[in-house]
Amino acid sequence: DTGVSQDPRHKITKRGQNVTFRCDPISEHNRLYWYRQTLGQGPEFLTYFQNEAQLEKSRLLSDRFSAERPKGSFSTLEIQRTEQGDSAMYLCASSLGGIENEQFFGPGTRLTVL
Amino acid sequence: AQRVTQPEKLLSVFKGAPVELKCNYSYSGSPELFWYVQYSRQRLQLLLRHISRESIKGFTADLNKGETSFHLKKPFAQEEDSAMYYCALRGNYGQNFVFGPGTRLSVLP
Repeated sequence: DTGVSQDPRHKITKRGQNVTFRCDPISEHNRLYWYRQTLGQGPEFLTYFQNEAQLEKSRLLSDRFSAERPKGSFSTLEIQRTEQGDSAMYLCASSLGGIENEQFFGPGTRLTVL
Repeated sequence: AQRVTQPEKLLSVFKGAPVELKCNYSYSGSPELFWYVQYSRQRLQLLLRHISRESIKGFTADLNKGETSFHLKKPFAQEEDSAMYYCALRGNYGQNFVFGPGTRLSVLP
């Protein structure tokens, strides 16, 4: 296990198209997080899963965004009808939970909407 | 509302000089504070957390609840400390982490 992986690493799409990103967490980690990061800003929390349950969603997550973690392992983040403002780095992180709860981040997926 | 501010976008110091990266937060309860670091072409990673009260790579940070600050300090900066540093907060409830905008530290030879 080489850590959190994300696919694809880069995605260029036209406005109005749908895109889907995948995150594979560290295998024994039951918590999974999605963040969005735009230029010059820190990561912004989007959503959080504990196993397969989506327990928190940011108000930033409009109805065009949906995330799933169907078997409590990998997760997908889908953006429908993309807009230019969706262009950002999308980061995934996972953690074991408990008191330590250190988040391990993936390399990110960079989305460019033309 | 939870908020984290880092007033400096860029901080440049010479090798061997002390460094302090500022972080202030707003939160009504007792938050958990973190510092994350991102070295060039690497992933974001945890540097330290206030509950651990430990020194990592020579860095320390003390939570000052009166001033709502969590400044990151190192007495003698090294060139390999050059990186992007993010202060982050997690509130008492849930897993919503709030990150600051980050400070780029540049340690000059």
